[in-house]
Amino acid sequence: KAGVTQTPRYLIKTRGQQVTLSCSPISGHRSVSWYQQTPGQGLQFLFEYFSETQRNKGNFPGRFSGRQFSNSRSEMNVSTLELGDSALYLCASSLALAGGNYNEQFFGPGTRLTVL
Amino acid sequence: KNEVEQSPQNLTAQEGEFITINCSYSVGISALHWLQQHPGGGIVSLFMLSSGKKKHGRLIATINIQEKHSSLHITASHPRDSAVYICAVAEGTYKYIFGTGTRLKVLA
Repeated sequence: KAGVTQTPRYLIKTRGQQVTLSCSPISGHRSVSWYQQTPGQGLQFLFEYFSETQRNKGNFPGRFSGRQFSNSRSEMNVSTLELGDSALYLCASSLALAGGNYNEQFFGPGTRLTVL
Repeated sequence: KNEVEQSPQNLTAQEGEFITINCSYSVGISALHWLQQHPGGGIVSLFMLSSGKKKHGRLIATINIQEKHSSLHITASHPRDSAVYICAVAEGTYKYIFGTGTRLKVLA
């Protein structure tokens, strides 16, 4: 079974631009979560999607948004990029079985975004 | 105070040594995850625990729910174990809270 894939793997943008990152979950996984990793803050939760609905959101400004499609693929968008948005963006997918029990998350390789 | 604390932050060991990395948390959790991140960024899941102990090869992970503490042990460490080890607790069903990571370097 193919793992979680993320595209692009590397991206360079300038301040003020916007960017869209893509995540394809493991086949059959319905939940996709996004995380930001920076040297200063470590790994932080951005948001989680299930069945095209955002179920939970971390403490990030509204410039960070996402969506999930009917095939469970997810995109996240960052508008009006700032230098501090330079980070590794990771997505993770999980089965999210019914019943609400915690399901193990599987991480993609990440997209490294550099904002100049 | 961070909700998830890891220690030590950095660790250098000689090949063959027994290594322990600790994780303490202050929130209620549904599971705890040990992750490994190599240079380049990719994260690999090592263990997911909700109780007791798990073993995989030279790696052992334990969790004490009452004490809100988990440990990751590496027996007979090897240079290829050099990586950042991250403790992540699942708060509820939807999200992780991460520790700051332990940077391990194993010297040959």
